Amino acid sequence: QKEVEQNSGPLSVPEGAIASLNCTYSDRGSQSFFWYRQYSGKSPELIMSIYSNGDKEDGRFTAQLNKASQYVSLLIRDSQPSDSATYLCAVKYNFNKFYFGSGTKLNVKP
Amino acid sequence: GAVVSQHPSWVICKSGTSVKIECRSLDFQATTMFWYRQFPKQSLMLMATSNEGSKATYEQGVEKDKFLINHASLTLSTLTVTSAHPEDSSFYICSAGGTSGFGTQYFGPGTRLLVL
Repeated sequence: QKEVEQNSGPLSVPEGAIASLNCTYSDRGSQSFFWYRQYSGKSPELIMSIYSNGDKEDGRFTAQLNKASQYVSLLIRDSQPSDSATYLCAVKYNFNKFYFGSGTKLNVKP
Repeated sequence: GAVVSQHPSWVICKSGTSVKIECRSLDFQATTMFWYRQFPKQSLMLMATSNEGSKATYEQGVEKDKFLINHASLTLSTLTVTSAHPEDSSFYICSAGGTSGFGTQYFGPGTRLLVL
């Protein structure tokens, strides 16, 4: 059974701080990694994708992947109250199999 | 980015009726679509994976005769909840993609089903 683990939170950070969200996965055969944001009552929206070890930056978001440690993280710089949502980590294996973590709820306090 | 639509966004029906939900990829061809269900304050639960022109693959515990999935074209997949009951009330979300490139999934906006 492939597993994707996330701390359910809530993670509370003050406005303007860096929010750090973490995800671990169980299978070394994982190919691609994704972070989705889900606002309450809405469907998930893609934030970042990462495939290679290292960092990938997109605006205020940075995804970090460490395949040796089976660890992927998402950093949100200058956090805003509008970033308050649940963040889902997803891992893709072969043959279109995806596994989602249960999500980390982020609260950014004004 | 890729756009996925769902219709209807909201449906209320009486117990025992069937409800059809459409999922369309608007600007790309999706050989694979996924159907998820999400109950309040719970995580996404994958129900089935549908491939264009073939039978859907259902996850363990999902009744294939109750949740009929058809993927007749590269841009359209449908989920029919047959003989719906109140316990089927949920948020149903489709996604498309997952095959080209590194396999990003793009989600539709979801359909909220309430069975009375």
